Amino acid sequence: KQEVTQIPAALSVPEGENLVLNCSFTDSAIYNLQWFRQDPGKGLTSLLLIQSSQREQTSGRLNASLDKSSGRSTLYIAASQPGDSATYLCAVGIDSNYQLIWGAGTKLIIKP
Amino acid sequence: DTGVSQDPRHKITKRGQNVTFRCDPISEHNRLYWYRQTLGQGPEFLTYFQNEAQLEKSRLLSDRFSAERPKGSFSTLEIQRTEQGDSAMYLCASSLPGLAAMAQYFGPGTRLLVL
Repeated sequence: KQEVTQIPAALSVPEGENLVLNCSFTDSAIYNLQWFRQDPGKGLTSLLLIQSSQREQTSGRLNASLDKSSGRSTLYIAASQPGDSATYLCAVGIDSNYQLIWGAGTKLIIKP
Repeated sequence: DTGVSQDPRHKITKRGQNVTFRCDPISEHNRLYWYRQTLGQGPEFLTYFQNEAQLEKSRLLSDRFSAERPKGSFSTLEIQRTEQGDSAMYLCASSLPGLAAMAQYFGPGTRLLVL
């Protein structure tokens, strides 16, 4: 059974710092891995999607890597801003219908 | 607005009552997913539809839960005889089929509180 873990559960850093969020999964047979952002009272916004054959994806200040063999993904946020404050969730697609198994998220606070 | 919409956004009910939630997907998306998210946890898959066909149901979806998508457009999720443990955020997402199903677009969710 696939299990997804995110560490740390919460993180508070000063504005401008570069930071790394971690996601680990127990079964390397995944179809894809996605990073989402969730703001209070709002739905989930997809940030980056990495297909199983890919190693990383980049969008602006965000970079996500995937190492299937070790069951790990990282989300790197460069030059953090207060607007980056949110909960970041990692989800793995486990079948051809891309059913998602989710981590519990990392709550990120960027202090001005 | 061409995003996924959900109604209502918030629902407070008493234990034992029935509740129904609605999800309107992005118009050209024929896949529709329901998830449940409790406080401090990630979403858990409940069920998904391709057009009007319900193709998969999680074991989390007890017999008190029923989901429909009668015309392959909007979907409803009904919970009968609600219990306090049903209190959660219910999220809906939609996607295109095939490889494009990798990208699921989420609605704002319906927050349910059962007293």
